Amino acid sequence: AQKVTQAQTEISVVEKEDVTLDCVYETRDTTYYLFWYKQPPSGELVFLIRRNSFDEQNEISGRYSWNFQKSTSSFNFTITASQVVDSAVYFCALWVQNTDKLIFGTGTRLQVFP
Amino acid sequence: DTGVSQDPRHKITKRGQNVTFRCDPISEHNRLYWYRQTLGQGPEFLTYFQNEAQLEKSRLLSDRFSAERPKGSFSTLEIQRTEQGDSAMYLCASSPGRGNTEAFFGQGTRLTVV
Repeated sequence: AQKVTQAQTEISVVEKEDVTLDCVYETRDTTYYLFWYKQPPSGELVFLIRRNSFDEQNEISGRYSWNFQKSTSSFNFTITASQVVDSAVYFCALWVQNTDKLIFGTGTRLQVFP
Repeated sequence: DTGVSQDPRHKITKRGQNVTFRCDPISEHNRLYWYRQTLGQGPEFLTYFQNEAQLEKSRLLSDRFSAERPKGSFSTLEIQRTEQGDSAMYLCASSPGRGNTEAFFGQGTRLTVV
């Protein structure tokens, strides 16, 4: 069975702080993809990143960075120097080959205060 | 093409009524997905289409739910005899398919059954 766990329900930080959102996944398949999506109050899920299971290289995009560790089945997301506009719910998701669908975690609500 | 569009954005209906939602995917995307998201939860898979063929339905999709994608373009999701438990955000996503797992989501239709 496949599962995604986001243990942090809600995180509050003050602007300019760094924040890390945790994601732990479970799957027995060797070929899979991991995703992060942002859901602002408008409701739309905004794609942030996709990593495949064979590429453990960490990635940085501006203030965003992702740490993929297969040894601990984790795919954590860090926002550096957070801004108020980063306030949203963030979802980690897993796509396993041959299942053809995304399995989402329960999300982490991030509130960034000025 | 500005992305996946869903209509309506909001729907309030009385218990027992039928409702229909529409999703227009990104042009030339072969795959179209429907997800349901309840408050405080991540999106849950309902069903998906490869062109006009419905390939999988979740056990969440009771017999009161039906989805179609008649010409392989837009899709409709109908709920008959709505119940209060159907209140949720219904999200549509599309992807190119053919091994491309990146899914683009619409803004969703928020259904409230009173």
